[in-house]
Amino acid sequence: GALVYQYPRRTICKSGTSMRMECQAVGFQATSVAWYRQSPQKTFELIALSTVNSAIKYEQNFTQEKFPISHPNLSFSSMTVLNAYLEDRGLYLCGASGQSNTEVFFGKGTRLTVV
Amino acid sequence: AQSVTQPDARVTVSEGASLQLRCKYSYFGTPYLFWYVQYPRQGLQLLLKYYPGDPVVQGVNGFEAEFSKSNSSFHLRKASVHWSDWAVYFCAVSPMSNYNVLYFGSGTKLTVEP
Repeated sequence: GALVYQYPRRTICKSGTSMRMECQAVGFQATSVAWYRQSPQKTFELIALSTVNSAIKYEQNFTQEKFPISHPNLSFSSMTVLNAYLEDRGLYLCGASGQSNTEVFFGKGTRLTVV
Repeated sequence: AQSVTQPDARVTVSEGASLQLRCKYSYFGTPYLFWYVQYPRQGLQLLLKYYPGDPVVQGVNGFEAEFSKSNSSFHLRKASVHWSDWAVYFCAVSPMSNYNVLYFGSGTKLTVEP
């Protein structure tokens, strides 16, 4: 079946440093990968959508300069949180879908703590 | 712009009782709608999804939802709640062009009393 793995599952970084998280699709070709953030006690916000052979599209309030994303092939994507501060803490989810694009598979997320 | 409103931040029901979680959406055109569940300290799991067609959709674990265009609603229902349903439920809307773009509501935390 189709699975999405995210790692690390949990991470702690010092304020002002950067942290990279990864997302791997297994059992299908992830032509589209979206990254979401759930801040403490809040809902999931879409950060950006990456589609193979297309430019990465960032939502309002999120920028490539802060959250650079790489999507080099159909099974892998990574996102870095640059210069992390307290407001960047939360659960980061990766959602991947294939060419048929009828279902999104989510990983279990990377929980980021900033100290 | 698309948006989803879940008016109830918290809902408490007794085990075995029926459940309805409310969701109102705002979207220009025909929306694709979803209900996801988040168990404690976990990611998201899909409960059910609506694509244009039958307004009542069945999901996992006895959940169902009904789409109403006139009311702009997509309420989630379950006939008999189990203690394992204790979780946070999110309603989401997606544009037809890409199902991997989801806009979530604020979530409803369901507590199940014995």
